[in-house]
Amino acid sequence: SYELTQSPSVSVSPGQTARITCSGDALPKKYAHWYQQKSGQAPVLVIYEDDKRPSGVPERFSGSSSGTTATLTISGAQVEDEADYYCYSTDYSGNHWVFGGGTKLTVL
Amino acid sequence: QVYLVQSGAEVKKPGASVKVSCKASGYTFTGHDINWVRQATGQGLEWMGWMNPNSGNTGYAQKFQGRVTMAGNTSISTAYMELSNLRSEDTAIYYCARGVRGRGYWFDPWGQGTLVIVSS
Repeated sequence: SYELTQSPSVSVSPGQTARITCSGDALPKKYAHWYQQKSGQAPVLVIYEDDKRPSGVPERFSGSSSGTTATLTISGAQVEDEADYYCYSTDYSGNHWVFGGGTKLTVL
Repeated sequence: QVYLVQSGAEVKKPGASVKVSCKASGYTFTGHDINWVRQATGQGLEWMGWMNPNSGNTGYAQKFQGRVTMAGNTSISTAYMELSNLRSEDTAIYYCARGVRGRGYWFDPWGQGTLVIVSS
């Protein structure tokens, strides 16, 4: 079955840039989307179609994709950005949607 | 403003079934799929399947085929997910999420989640 691979954790100091990666064989042809999940809350969309930011999401959140890796970048991370981040995409068939395992971002 | 409001927590015994509802507001219910995603305690997100309220068509992850049924009632803008033959491993928070189709396909927004506990 198709898998998306994320590193389990990333840690930065406030104001630094955090980069969270997601690897998958189909990513050169399929979009990646990113969700933020704070403790005890439902996930929230922060990036869709590789690099688009929904209204209301701070400009410090950006996305990119190159080859088999999609990247979520938080420029000048804030303490309130501490959360789990999940990438989401589909396999080549477009019929199997999967989430990455999640990356825990610590900002302290 | 688009909202998805889910039903309350459930406690079920192994072998039983559970039915979770998801009431949509703020948009045309028949214009978007409803997807279901679950999350066991301390674990990641797991996509379960989708339901199209307009056609009634569904698509389920292979893991849940035969055990899950997704449906909708357009008259009250509500989607349902029923999971049968429950086991302890099904203890999780179950989320509904609206599918949005552009060049890709993503989920936005999500419901608040429904905790389902399976315990004897």
